[in-house]
Amino acid sequence: ETGVTQSPTHLIKTRGQQVTLRCSSQSGHNTVSWYQQALGQGPQFIFQYYREEENGRGNFPPRFSGLQFPNYSSELNVNALELDDSALYLCASGLSGGGGYTFGSGTRLTVV
Amino acid sequence: GNSVTQMEGPVTLSEEAFLTINCTYTATGYPSLFWYVQYPGEGLQLLLKATKADDKGSNKGFEATYRKETTSFHLEKGSVQVSDSAVYFCALIMNTGNQFYFGTGTSLTVIP
Repeated sequence: ETGVTQSPTHLIKTRGQQVTLRCSSQSGHNTVSWYQQALGQGPQFIFQYYREEENGRGNFPPRFSGLQFPNYSSELNVNALELDDSALYLCASGLSGGGGYTFGSGTRLTVV
Repeated sequence: GNSVTQMEGPVTLSEEAFLTINCTYTATGYPSLFWYVQYPGEGLQLLLKATKADDKGSNKGFEATYRKETTSFHLEKGSVQVSDSAVYFCALIMNTGNQFYFGTGTSLTVIP
């Protein structure tokens, strides 16, 4: 059983640029959620995808968008990067209707 | 709304000392409660969970009991080791929901 894999592990971008982060879900899982963890803080829910549709969203602006693919892998896209977007981005996969979620190791994004 | 409050850190203990990290929650329904651990530079690992009142979650010597009357889920370990040094997050997810609500994390350092 494979776990949740995120890529890249680290990334440096310039303010105003766009970034795409990737997540491969654990085998058998059909939902994927994204979280933002700022330094010294707990993770904050960005959104969840189920059956390739957004299935709940936290308090994040529209420049944060996502995709889920038929193989349940996912992307997080952030446009017009701001310095405050610097954070660890975590992906979590799970099964709809309950069960546990598995977190990936995250992508560390630095915006300069 | 839903939220989690956990004790401020950092916490520094000597090896073999007793550990308590307090966690209280506010929820509009029936949550499941979790403790996650994050080692430096890594993602979140599930430490233990409890899905209903009076359940006790346990793993690797850590324990926490779901107390509905006090809305608490305090983490305890009888004898900490240097390898327990990490950041600990208390979290909840509603049984009909799809997002975790995390506390701000408590940093634990265990010294030999």
